[in-house]
Amino acid sequence: DAKTTQPPSMDCAEGRAANLPCNHSTISGNEYVYWYRQIHSQGPQYIIHGLKNNETNEMASLIITEDRKSSTLILPHATLRDTAVYYCIVRVAGTGNQFYFGTGTSLTVIP
Amino acid sequence: KAGVTQTPRYLIKTRGQQVTLSCSPISGHRSVSWYQQTPGQGLQFLFEYFSETQRNKGNFPGRFSGRQFSNSRSEMNVSTLELGDSALYLCASSSGRALGDTQYFGPGTRLTVL
Repeated sequence: DAKTTQPPSMDCAEGRAANLPCNHSTISGNEYVYWYRQIHSQGPQYIIHGLKNNETNEMASLIITEDRKSSTLILPHATLRDTAVYYCIVRVAGTGNQFYFGTGTSLTVIP
Repeated sequence: KAGVTQTPRYLIKTRGQQVTLSCSPISGHRSVSWYQQTPGQGLQFLFEYFSETQRNKGNFPGRFSGRQFSNSRSEMNVSTLELGDSALYLCASSSGRALGDTQYFGPGTRLTVL
């Protein structure tokens, strides 16, 4: 199963872009990369996901390297409400849904 | 569209008791997955149900079991509770039909075992 590695914590100034990296060097060809965030032990909130192309939605952008061994989540204009633990997840290949959650990155947005 | 709902939100039990947690998925979703979150182990996959059948199972003892009903609602049961079962239990729902499927999580049930 592909595993992910993320820095344990990061700071970002309010209004600036937050770039959260993730390594998933053992990812398989059909495994998607997902990003979720969790605020104060609430349920994780879906942000974005992708297979090999870069993706963008109203919340964030996902940049996946060509070899798919790493990715970066970009929050274009961080606000205080973006302070949370961000999880980079590789969905386990095969049938069904099984997410492997690593330890995540605790992002603190500073005023 | 209503999100994933979990009941109860908080629960206090004593060692040796059993507990049943409930999860109602988003309308139209047929897959429900359960996760346990503890400070020491983080978020860990328990099992997934799709169309009333268990499709995947994590590495948890047999005290943890689940089921899914024909309306896709799911219940999770933990028997003979131990102190270490104190955790936030999360369920997530998805259509369950595609590899690129998105899971949506509920708010969780906070279980405290005394």
